Amino acid sequence: KQEVTQIPAALSVPEGENLVLNCSFTDSAIYNLQWFRQDPGKGLTSLLLIQSSQREQTSGRLNASLDKSSGRSTLYIAASQPGDSATYLCAVNSNSGYALNFGKGTSLLVTP
Amino acid sequence: GAGVSQSPRYKVAKRGQDVALRCDPISGHVSLFWYQQALGQGPEFLTYFQNEAQLDKSGLPSDRFFAERPEGSVSTLKIQRTQQEDSAVYLCATPGQTNTGELFFGEGSRLTVL
Repeated sequence: KQEVTQIPAALSVPEGENLVLNCSFTDSAIYNLQWFRQDPGKGLTSLLLIQSSQREQTSGRLNASLDKSSGRSTLYIAASQPGDSATYLCAVNSNSGYALNFGKGTSLLVTP
Repeated sequence: GAGVSQSPRYKVAKRGQDVALRCDPISGHVSLFWYQQALGQGPEFLTYFQNEAQLDKSGLPSDRFFAERPEGSVSTLKIQRTQQEDSAVYLCATPGQTNTGELFFGEGSRLTVL
């Protein structure tokens, strides 16, 4: 079974810092990888989707990279803002199925 | 999340009660997923529908959990004789229009079993 791990579990940074969230997965035979944001008491908001053939995707201040061979993805957030405070979840869609396998998330706090 | 509507948003049930959670996806979406998210954890797959057919129910934790989608649109997740360990957020998801495999989630139904 695909295992997805996210490090760190929690992160607190001052406003304006650039930061990197890490995601690793055990089975490199993936279809795609998706990063989500979850605010307290809310559902998941899709941030970026990277297909297995792609190396990275960018949206605004967010950049996600994928290294399939090493089983890793990173989410880079530039010039962090207090509004970025949320839990960030990484999810992998494996070739062997269609259900997403999620990590436990990284809880981010950006302080003013 | 891409027009996926879930109700109720919050449900408190006494242990042993039956509950029904509803997912109303964007019209025309063939695929529909249910996930369960316990506190502090990532979502876990429960079940998958393609139209009205339930193609995979391997994630349902026990036979007290039942899901249906009789007309291939609205789906209901039913939990019979609720237990405290059923307390979680239940999320419904459908793919986007672009056929990229991207999933869009509803706001979820938070179930608390006392």
